[in-house]
Amino acid sequence: RKEVEQDPGPFNVPEGATVAFNCTYSNSASQSFFWYRQDCRKEPKLLMSVYSSGNEDGRFTAQLNRASQYISLLIRDSKLSDSATYLCVVFHRSGGSYIPTFGRGTSLIVHP
Amino acid sequence: NAGVTQTPKFQVLKTGQSMTLQCAQDMNHEYMSWYRQDPGMGLRLIHYSVGAGITDQGEVPNGYNVSRSTTEDFPLRLLSAAPSQTSVYFCASRDQLAGGPISTDTQYFGPGTRLTVL
Repeated sequence: RKEVEQDPGPFNVPEGATVAFNCTYSNSASQSFFWYRQDCRKEPKLLMSVYSSGNEDGRFTAQLNRASQYISLLIRDSKLSDSATYLCVVFHRSGGSYIPTFGRGTSLIVHP
Repeated sequence: NAGVTQTPKFQVLKTGQSMTLQCAQDMNHEYMSWYRQDPGMGLRLIHYSVGAGITDQGEVPNGYNVSRSTTEDFPLRLLSAAPSQTSVYFCASRDQLAGGPISTDTQYFGPGTRLTVL
């Protein structure tokens, strides 16, 4: 079982819809959590950090549930430009470093 | 400020050939890493470095070597290319001191190298 799991989708939604993705992780010692966005054939770019208290940035809201070991990303009022793959990233401590593990990504397609 | 640069953008190799993928960053980041991305597999960590002269293995290190002689450069060497190494390779750097906690991830990725091994 992969350490970080995501539903690959695709999630196919109309403009203006609200869509939510989850990402589960297996390492209970995981310490930091993030969402990245990756456009087709491009490099990943940081979308937002995920804090225990929740984190909101405009139409995007990220949540962390440590008890159930998952993080979520909610996108409100979807735009065509939100079409992309969303990657969750989980960091755990290994020796003296923090090591990231990426999920496989969830594909979002927003249509007119 | 160019960020993270990678060369080449595209490369085709024959089985058994060796080559070096170049990665450089001008942000004075201590932490650098190499990933490969395959369809349906997400990004997998190959090797990483927490500073000049220090490297360590990630999830899929076999068939790859790295060195970190300077803060700026982190080349990835394929010793004897195999078709299983056909992938997109991303280099990344992060502004984080080794051993320090992170609450925000300032990880920057290069544009990637698309490698095909025949």
